[in-house]
Amino acid sequence: GQSLEQPSEVTAVEGAIVQINCTYQTSGFYGLSWYQQHDGGAPTFLSYNALDGLEETGRFSSFLSRSDSYGYLLLQELQMKDSASYFCAVREPTGANNLFFGTGTRLTVIP
Amino acid sequence: NAGVTQTPKFQVLKTGQSMTLQCAQDMNHNSMYWYRQDPGMGLRLIYYSASEGTTDKGEVPNGYNVSRLNKREFSLRLESAAPSQTSVYFCASSHTGELFFGEGSRLTVL
Repeated sequence: GQSLEQPSEVTAVEGAIVQINCTYQTSGFYGLSWYQQHDGGAPTFLSYNALDGLEETGRFSSFLSRSDSYGYLLLQELQMKDSASYFCAVREPTGANNLFFGTGTRLTVIP
Repeated sequence: NAGVTQTPKFQVLKTGQSMTLQCAQDMNHNSMYWYRQDPGMGLRLIYYSASEGTTDKGEVPNGYNVSRLNKREFSLRLESAAPSQTSVYFCASSHTGELFFGEGSRLTVL
């Protein structure tokens, strides 16, 4: 089976940096993804790590350590619009790109 | 570019009623999915379809059926709705791993 753990809530100040951690237990590992979801909206893709290391996309970076079964999403220069829920997800070994999602971290950015 | 389109966006049902959620994608993706999202539970996979003509159960399939009508369309049916099926339902599609989600369908079962 799969399990993912991430903090339920994080609060950070506008302009600061915040890190959202995700630890996983999976039967086989095929990559860690991150999705953002604003209230009332649909989840949208942020990043994907299949190999160890850091992937950077603008203000967002994602890190993976397969030996530690651990990853994180790093958000820099926080903006108020970054207030949202962030989900880590692992790909399931079905050949259909199924994702198993964590329960999400609600990020609140304060002035 | 419509992406993934779900209908209806909102629906209220009485216990025991049936309904079908429709989903269509215009990105020529092979794989399609139905997830449900409940507060504090994240997204849970109900059913998926790896390609046209195939469907498989996900984590929480009980009480649901699906049909992959063609490559574009993947519908979710509740035959006899129960209050436990009150949720937000998301359809998604994928080709290379990134999932593209529809805007969601909010279903309330009284």
